[in-house]
Amino acid sequence: GAGVSQSPRYKVAKRGQDVALRCDPISGHVSLFWYQQALGQGPEFLTYFQNEAQLDKSGLPSDRFFAERPEGSVSTLKIQRTQQEDSAVYLCASSLIRTKGTEAFFGQGTRLTVV
Amino acid sequence: LAKTTQPISMDSYEGQEVNITCSHNNIATNDYITWYQQFPSQGPRFIIQGYKTKVTNEVASLFIPADRKSSTLSLPRVSLSDTAVYYCLVEGFQKLVFGTGTRLLVSP
Repeated sequence: GAGVSQSPRYKVAKRGQDVALRCDPISGHVSLFWYQQALGQGPEFLTYFQNEAQLDKSGLPSDRFFAERPEGSVSTLKIQRTQQEDSAVYLCASSLIRTKGTEAFFGQGTRLTVV
Repeated sequence: LAKTTQPISMDSYEGQEVNITCSHNNIATNDYITWYQQFPSQGPRFIIQGYKTKVTNEVASLFIPADRKSSTLSLPRVSLSDTAVYYCLVEGFQKLVFGTGTRLLVSP
């Protein structure tokens, strides 16, 4: 595709339910990021992949959050036992290669609402 | 990573030039300065990036003084469609660190 694609666009989960959010990066992009954006706030870094290697997961808020990119392309962010504070927009971004000065392309995000 | 400070909000009118200044006092020697734009219900979109002096593209200019402790995004002749949140980032090696951004409102 022409851009970063995320699915679903909207997800409503009951508290305690597990969810999986998918990101299809731009073809050939080596670097992939996940961000969490609360209402009215800037995006907060969650984790970063270079190909299939997860090089930084310092932003994952708890061990309920898990991300993978097994073949170095599609990535999945999984949240176990969702809580209300997990309600946010989850953004995925990719870039050709992660060096300073390279542009990151963002998807439209998945809006997660935990009820 | 260097922290950035920018105004929370700005107002302008169509056709005016808008300048948004960002301070980044502890920027590292090899850090880049990048600006992103975000519309409601969309992901951030790259606008412009620079290291020093002035950079211009088809949508904006970026001015960076010699000490690089601040930068100014200049949007010439804004239109209603430029209403958005603008983020200034000092770019570390791996992760982009966003602040709270500047909410620009352009009125007729």
